[in-house]
Amino acid sequence: GQNIDQPTEMTATEGAIVQINCTYQTSGFNGLFWYQQHAGEAPTFLSYNVLDGLEEKGRFSSFLSRSKGYSYLLLKELQMKDSASYLCAVMDSNYQLIWGAGTKLIIKP
Amino acid sequence: DTAVSQTPKYLVTQMGNDKSIKCEQNLGHDTMYWYKQDSKKFLKIMFSYNNKELIINETVPNRFSPKSPDKAHLNLHINSLELGDSAVYFCASSPREGDTGELFFGEGSRLTVL
Repeated sequence: GQNIDQPTEMTATEGAIVQINCTYQTSGFNGLFWYQQHAGEAPTFLSYNVLDGLEEKGRFSSFLSRSKGYSYLLLKELQMKDSASYLCAVMDSNYQLIWGAGTKLIIKP
Repeated sequence: DTAVSQTPKYLVTQMGNDKSIKCEQNLGHDTMYWYKQDSKKFLKIMFSYNNKELIINETVPNRFSPKSPDKAHLNLHINSLELGDSAVYFCASSPREGDTGELFFGEGSRLTVL
């Protein structure tokens, strides 16, 4: 079956760096996505990786290793507003998005 | 203007009732989706429509029926509501199916079945 795994919850300190990992097993691969979802709100797109390596976008970076079925989202200079759930999703060979359950990130002052 | 808008945001109803949730996108996108997010926060795709044609229908009970009068609208109708239907339902759109996968989500409709 298809599976996306990510930690349920993580805690970090304001101003610090946190890495949220995601591992996947899917039938085919057409890209990996990270979305941010604040409580009670809609998910919003953060990043897209289809080739191995690191994609940097401001304070957020996303890394992909297709051979390992692994990705991480790196958040730098954490701010209180970064408290949210971070959803990892993989597009399979049928171009369907398979979603993880999300990682709830708690930022402490 | 909200890119993807859905109504109502909150819906409380009794078991056995029939209800609809409306969704409209003003982005000119070709594909629209309905997702269900349950209490465990998994996003599960229910339907997608591409130019008014149903292209994905996951294992969703036939009590759920999508209706698309035009490519800017995808409404969700639910018959004979059950307790397990309680969830947040998200409408989303993307430029084309199989595109980069960047989805634009509506704000969600929280359905509570009593």
